[in-house]
Amino acid sequence: DSGVTQTPKHLITATGQRVTLRCSPRSGDLSVYWYQQSLDQGLQFLIQYYNGEERAKGNILERFSAQQFPDLHSELNLSSLELGDSALYFCASSVEGAPTDTQYFGPGTRLTVL
Amino acid sequence: AQKITQTQPGMFVQEKEAVTLDCTYDTSDQSYGLFWYKQPSSGEMIFLIYQGSYDEQNATEGRYSLNFQKARKSANLVISASQLGDSAMYFCAMRRVQGAQKLVFGQGTRLTINP
Repeated sequence: DSGVTQTPKHLITATGQRVTLRCSPRSGDLSVYWYQQSLDQGLQFLIQYYNGEERAKGNILERFSAQQFPDLHSELNLSSLELGDSALYFCASSVEGAPTDTQYFGPGTRLTVL
Repeated sequence: AQKITQTQPGMFVQEKEAVTLDCTYDTSDQSYGLFWYKQPSSGEMIFLIYQGSYDEQNATEGRYSLNFQKARKSANLVISASQLGDSAMYFCAMRRVQGAQKLVFGQGTRLTINP
């Protein structure tokens, strides 16, 4: 158990819908990262937050948004869902977001868009 | 841009044998970090081992060691005395020291340990 929690574990929804994925980092970790794992794209970085502020952005679609709240939990919002958004979404956390920090991953949320 | 290449899509090894999973990387940075993660069939990503580009010693964590050859830009994972529970996908990843701290992953190697 990494100490990073993600809910829900599974999510099945229809095209055009909007969903929210939730992540709680390990106790004491200030930095949260979101990754998407799909069969065709592999593991891709989406976005990083550090202590409530956006720090880095990857190939995150405009239909996707995220935020980190004062209690440091983070949410990833996916809207206007398409079939291609079906993937495993991971949240990871690290202590300070420094380059030598290890990122510990949550169990993931498996999103299926029908 | 950074790139990680894992050339072995799948590997089959007998239990108790040692196994080496290959990883080569491409970066123009002088400082970077290299990581290995394990993803069992249950789906979670488990951190295994870390190597800094300026670390002089190869990293070791229990049965895992990282064979780091900086000039060849390779960071192979060695698992000694493999166990059935080692069957999983293994991902090599790297991260820059300067700039964005995102992890860049390879495509992974599926390791199967046979009894």
